[in-house]
Amino acid sequence: QKEVEQDPGPLSVPEGAIVSLNCTYSNSAFQYFMWYRQYSRKGPELLMYTYSSGNKEDGRFTAQVDKSSKYISLFIRDSQPSDSATYLCAMSEGPNDYKLSFGAGTTVTVRA
Amino acid sequence: GAVVSQHPSRVICKSGTSVKIECRSLDFQATTMFWYRQFPKKSLMLMATSNEGSKATYEQGVEKDKFLINHASLTLSTLTVTSAHPEDSSFYICSAGGASSYNEQFFGPGTRLTVL
Repeated sequence: QKEVEQDPGPLSVPEGAIVSLNCTYSNSAFQYFMWYRQYSRKGPELLMYTYSSGNKEDGRFTAQVDKSSKYISLFIRDSQPSDSATYLCAMSEGPNDYKLSFGAGTTVTVRA
Repeated sequence: GAVVSQHPSRVICKSGTSVKIECRSLDFQATTMFWYRQFPKKSLMLMATSNEGSKATYEQGVEKDKFLINHASLTLSTLTVTSAHPEDSSFYICSAGGASSYNEQFFGPGTRLTVL
């Protein structure tokens, strides 16, 4: 069993739809959770960063963490074609623990 | 935000040659730098972690003699793929930590290596 599981998709949605992405994990020591966006042939860029359980909202993006279920989600509201990318979840154990465990990434296409 | 650059962005080489990839943090001092490898439609695979002035820590299964990492300063790390073979063809991405108060990594744009 992988430490972090993420459905690779692909996921195709019409413009304006809500995109729902999620990851599950097995390591209960994970405390810090991140979502990265990666465009084709580019490096990942950090979208959202959350600590422990709860919700965090930033514009059209909402990240949720449920540590009791070992489940994290990313929601993209009012999706745009420019949101078409691969989204990777990542997590780590401690604040000074730079070593991240990544999910496989979900490829999202938003159709105009 | 913190910026990390990589050079070259793309390299094609013959089998048996060595290739050096540079990773630079442009506007912050990187306490730690990481090197990842990414296969098509796959996630990032951590190869090694390097701290400035010390030897890199390699992940299990990564040949340290083949993938030489040097972290000579707080803004520069290099990955040298020695005696490259076609199976080394991949997308190599570096990241750097230390720009913020938490464990955020800033990624470079990646280097596409093709070994003929």
